[in-house]
Amino acid sequence: LAKTTQPISMDSYEGQEVNITCSHNNIATNDYITWYQQFPSQGPRFIIQGYKTKVTNEVASLFIPADRKSSTLSLPRVSLSDTAVYYCLVGAYSGGYQKVTFGTGTKLQVIP
Amino acid sequence: ETGVTQSPTHLIKTRGQQVTLRCSSQSGHNTVSWYQQALGQGPQFIFQYYREEENGRGNFPPRFSGLQFPNYSSELNVNALELDDSALYLCASSLDVRAPNSPLHFGNGTRLTVT
Repeated sequence: LAKTTQPISMDSYEGQEVNITCSHNNIATNDYITWYQQFPSQGPRFIIQGYKTKVTNEVASLFIPADRKSSTLSLPRVSLSDTAVYYCLVGAYSGGYQKVTFGTGTKLQVIP
Repeated sequence: ETGVTQSPTHLIKTRGQQVTLRCSSQSGHNTVSWYQQALGQGPQFIFQYYREEENGRGNFPPRFSGLQFPNYSSELNVNALELDDSALYLCASSLDVRAPNSPLHFGNGTRLTVT
């Protein structure tokens, strides 16, 4: 399984754009990159998923360079409610089941 | 659309006891996986169930076992509880194990405390 490395924590002011980068040097050809958000005492919530280049949805963008050894989650104009832990996952359907590994995540603190 | 629900929300057990945690998958999802999340850590994969059979397992001992029922709901059983089993146990369902990289939909977990 590909191991992921993220910053342990980040601080940002309200209204700013936040970029969280994840390294996954040994990502496999079939692996997708998925980001989840987790609030205290809740389960993780799916944010965005991609394989290569750029993916955008209503809450975030995901940038993946050509070598796919890293990815960057971009949150536009964060608010206090975006304070949470963000996990980068690398995994794929393989051998009959989904193999995914959560790292320790990035704790984002949004400051008023 | 009904999301993933888990019960109970909190549980306190004594070392050596056994515990059963329950999970109802999101409607339309036939694959369920279980995760253990210790305080301050990311979720760790325990196992996955598809068509009522375990089809993938993480690095957890056999005293962690599970079931999946015909309605796709699932149970996690832990025997001979140890203090280190204290954690948040998360259940996640996904559309179909054969659907490449279908996102996981998590419940809010069961907080297990072992004393």
